[in-house]
Amino acid sequence: QSALTQPASVSGSPGQSITISCTGTSSDVGSYNLVSWYQQHPGKAPKLMIYEGSERPSGVSNRFSGSKSGNTASLTISGLQAEDEADYYCCSYAGSGTYVFGGGTKVTVL
Amino acid sequence: EVQLVQSGAEVKKPGESLKISCKGSGYSFTNYWIGWVRQMPGKGLEWMGIIYPGDSHTTYSPSFQGQVTISADKSISTTYLQWSSLKASDTAMYYCARQGLSGSYFVYWGQGTLVTVSS
Repeated sequence: QSALTQPASVSGSPGQSITISCTGTSSDVGSYNLVSWYQQHPGKAPKLMIYEGSERPSGVSNRFSGSKSGNTASLTISGLQAEDEADYYCCSYAGSGTYVFGGGTKVTVL
Repeated sequence: EVQLVQSGAEVKKPGESLKISCKGSGYSFTNYWIGWVRQMPGKGLEWMGIIYPGDSHTTYSPSFQGQVTISADKSISTTYLQWSSLKASDTAMYYCARQGLSGSYFVYWGQGTLVTVSS
């Protein structure tokens, strides 16, 4: 069970859109529409941003959206804002009651 | 209000045992899976395992199977993560997190417990 692959860093200017990819395998991301995304600011606990691939929890800005194609899930942040600067992690169900996280992506707002 | 409150920071020596806790409140404790997540210093999140407090059914990541034990005491709405013999490489922040209504994602997170293992 290997970690999902995310880019180490992504950056963008305020107002721009950025996309973070999360690549797994046919045993995890590709088999289930059960990818979730978490935002983590330094020294804080993670916060759920997207679940079941594209669903947004109550209270999460609609600037955050999720999608999936094949073995790759994606998180898009539109209208980038300074407060979006954080680490982002994807997580997928991997069968047999197990889950796997991605390595994390540091988002920098230029 | 749903809350997960974890036990405080621990400093231990290699070879010592440890049990940290995560107490749930504001919801029906026995009806939701709770997972444990490790974050080593400066590193990413790692899924360790998960427990259903209703019947204590537990599933572990292959990476953590045999290295830790996850348990629950539903009478006090608390789940535990324990080690029998700590290693320096167990130094990390540990989070508990409760799944959502339809499962597969972690909605509520504890504040984290920092475990430091050093001689």
